[in-house]
Parts: sequence; structure tokens; C-alpha cells
Amino acid sequence: DQQVKQNSPSLSVQEGRISILNCDYTNSMFDYFLWYKKYPAEGPTFLISISSIKDKNEDGRFTVFLNKSAKHLSLHIVPSQPGDSAVYFCAAKRPGGGADGLTFGKGTHLIIQP
Amino acid sequence: DVKVTQSSRYLVKRTGEKVFLECVQDMDHENMFWYRQDPGLGLRLIYFSYDVKMKEKGDIPEGYSVSREKKERFSLILESASTNQTSMYLCASRYGATYNEQFFGPGTRLTVL
Repeated sequence: DQQVKQNSPSLSVQEGRISILNCDYTNSMFDYFLWYKKYPAEGPTFLISISSIKDKNEDGRFTVFLNKSAKHLSLHIVPSQPGDSAVYFCAAKRPGGGADGLTFGKGTHLIIQP
Repeated sequence: DVKVTQSSRYLVKRTGEKVFLECVQDMDHENMFWYRQDPGLGLRLIYFSYDVKMKEKGDIPEGYSVSREKKERFSLILESASTNQTSMYLCASRYGATYNEQFFGPGTRLTVL
């Protein structure tokens, strides 16, 4: 049962335009969401996060939107740059406040075209 | 900066071998995690540890065990490696249960022949 879904395996965007990466979840008890970026042969690096009590969080070119009623979040990157080409993982913190891990989506490969 | 290091970037082993993957973090984090990443499957949690000598199974613990004898070190053990354990293995750490962000190591690409 996949609780965090990224339905687009890949996304191609022209440099300078907006990139929108989507993520859906099924567990309404998730209380925190994170986006990670991963280059080939490297570990994921934290990008931006949002608490379930908020609907928007912004950090420079990156903005995450959360729609709790739809169980949907999205990552907006504007303007897109060549260095943004990477795999992006959406992750949710498991409920219960314990020390266990994050639940990850399968990832979306973002390709920024010149 | 938080630093999470993994003992090998690339590893090639034979079926049936015992394999040790080591992970060390330098920020006195309480929690440590092992994930594997496979194409089309994302990151899946194998085991985690919330303190020294404490461990909990994740989503896919079969065929793996772990050891945490010291706070900074978390080892993943493949008792008898199999070809379906060929994967990218990622270690992560987190300060404590009330914190959300996990910091990842660079990963170990394990190939089992």
C-alpha cells in the first residue's frame, strides 16, 4: 500500500520556466512533509518542508503548497535552472511522533532543458 | 555541517557472502536509519535505531540485520547476500524524534553477483 505517491516519473521543463512537482498521500495522519533532491551517485539532500498546520512554505526559488483536504502537495521551482535537474522525492513523516523513518514517494526525475 | 559517511561508495560481493555496510555520523544524533533505493520504488526503510543498542524493523527488514554499539555508528548486515539485494543503500541520521529532517550519507552501490 503506497501511502505517498508521485505519479509522474519524469518531468521536462524549459530553463527559466516554472517546474511543478506533485505528490499525493493517503494517510491523513501524516503531520509533516519534506522534499528531497537527489543527484546520481549522491545521497538525497533536504530541500524544503511544510507542517500539516500550514498551507504554504517558501524558500527562495522553492515553494511548497499543501492542500490537506485533497491530500496533495506540490513543489514549485521558479525560475528553473539547469542545476535543478535531479530526482525529487516527496516524503511524509509517519504519525505517532516516534523515532521511525520517513515514507517516501517513488520520485520524479526533473529535467531542465536549455 | 552534519556529516554522514558510509564506508564504501561501491561494493561487489558474491551470493552467499556476509556483507557489512558501515555508517558514521558526527553530530551526536540519536536516530539513525538504513534505506534502500531501487528504480521505480523510491526509498524504502529497512531498519532504524533510536538509540544505542536499540533497533526497530522498517518496511523491508527481511534478509538484513543491524548493529548499533556506539551512538555514531550504525551497521547494516546482509547475513547471506542474494542477487535481489543489489541496490543503492542509504544511511541517514536525525537529531531526535521531535525533529523531522533526516541527513543522508552519499550511499553505497552494492552489486551481488
